[in-house]
Amino acid sequence: DIQMTQSPSSVSASVGDRVTITCRASQGISSWLAWYQQKPGKAPKLLIYAASSLQSGVPSRFSGSGSGTDFTLTISSLQPEDFATYYCQQANSPFTFGPGTKVDIK
Amino acid sequence: QITLKESGPTLVKPTQTLTLTCTFSGFSLSTSGVGVGWIRQPPGKALEWLALIYWNDDKRYSPSLKSRLTITKDTSKNQVVLTMTNMDPVDTATYYCAHRPGWSGYYTTFDYWGQGTLVTVSS
Repeated sequence: DIQMTQSPSSVSASVGDRVTITCRASQGISSWLAWYQQKPGKAPKLLIYAASSLQSGVPSRFSGSGSGTDFTLTISSLQPEDFATYYCQQANSPFTFGPGTKVDIK
Repeated sequence: QITLKESGPTLVKPTQTLTLTCTFSGFSLSTSGVGVGWIRQPPGKALEWLALIYWNDDKRYSPSLKSRLTITKDTSKNQVVLTMTNMDPVDTATYYCAHRPGWSGYYTTFDYWGQGTLVTVSS
């Protein structure tokens, strides 16, 4: 089975910072990747699908890129509401999630 | 608008079978491409995908849990049921159901989620 890894596992950042999170698949998955944001006690929220397509209603400061095995989620200017945990997910069965990256306040 | 809600027991004993129901509104599970999935999250840990059922009754399961899982749908009731056998304390988690949009084609993403239900496995 394809394994998903994320780095870093956590990052401390300030409002206005540019934040980049990396997701790596153990085998090539083309652009079959999604990104989610989860806040404590809440269900995950879809941010990005097909590696780089922004879900409706998601602010444009979020962007995704990559294909094959290496993917990135970038937050261009971190806002207070962006402090959360971010997960990547392989979009082809089995729909494996990555271990998560926690973005917290510096 | 699309809503989903999980229901079931909050406490189960080891070796028992867990049955969870996802009741949804705002979409039909007979629409081409649509699906409903189950995902769980142990306290303080990452998300783990469990199962997915498609509009055409095709099903997918997590390879590591396949022998213990069954997913079914009742289109007339707008419900999807997940059963997990032989429950163990390590299965303690918040269980979510989520909507797979019909527009996603070959991609499976989950664009609407239920609030989740915490299931504790303990004697």
